[in-house]
Amino acid sequence: AQSVSQHNHHVILSEAASLELGCNYSYGGTVNLFWYVQYPGQHLQLLLKYFSGDPLVKGIKGFEAEFIKSKFSFNLRKPSVQWSDTAEYFCAVNSGNNNDMRFGAGTRLTVKP
Amino acid sequence: NAGVTQTPKFQVLKTGQSMTLQCAQDMNHEYMSWYRQDPGMGLRLIHYSVGAGITDQGEVPNGYNVSRSTTEDFPLRLLSAAPSQTSVYFCASIGNNNEQFFGPGTRLTVL
Repeated sequence: AQSVSQHNHHVILSEAASLELGCNYSYGGTVNLFWYVQYPGQHLQLLLKYFSGDPLVKGIKGFEAEFIKSKFSFNLRKPSVQWSDTAEYFCAVNSGNNNDMRFGAGTRLTVKP
Repeated sequence: NAGVTQTPKFQVLKTGQSMTLQCAQDMNHEYMSWYRQDPGMGLRLIHYSVGAGITDQGEVPNGYNVSRSTTEDFPLRLLSAAPSQTSVYFCASIGNNNEQFFGPGTRLTVL
């Protein structure tokens, strides 16, 4: 089964700093890739997703992610974070022909005002 | 559309008690799943269903049962609760484009 690794457990940034959260997966076949965000006390919401096509995917709230197949990576980026981006971020993957979704352990982002 | 709904929002059980966590969706999605969320471990798949009458085990199925008698409902049963099952439980359904829609979660404490 596929697995997902998120390298950073807790990231602390000041407002306007740039963000990059790492995500690597282990699966050799076709994959669908996702980033979800969970604001404090809320459920997970989809930020962006990649199925095929342009490997640079743009999501909501200024987030983007780049799929690099050779590195099995799908890192999340944002040029300038805001205090309201404080949340936990989860990378997830499922293979192209099944629905077994696997999540990373999550990265907690704290943005200082 | 209400999306994915879960009840209850909070629950405290004693070891050995049983209970059912309810999940319903009104989007006519075939695929539904249950996850538990624990600190530092992300979401782990407990059970999933690809349609009414069909269920399968996920990553951490032990101690949990599910059934899928209708497309809308996917209850999760704890037959004999244990402290290790203290967690936040999320139900989700998947739309046609593989996007997961999550419910608001149930916070369960087992004493």
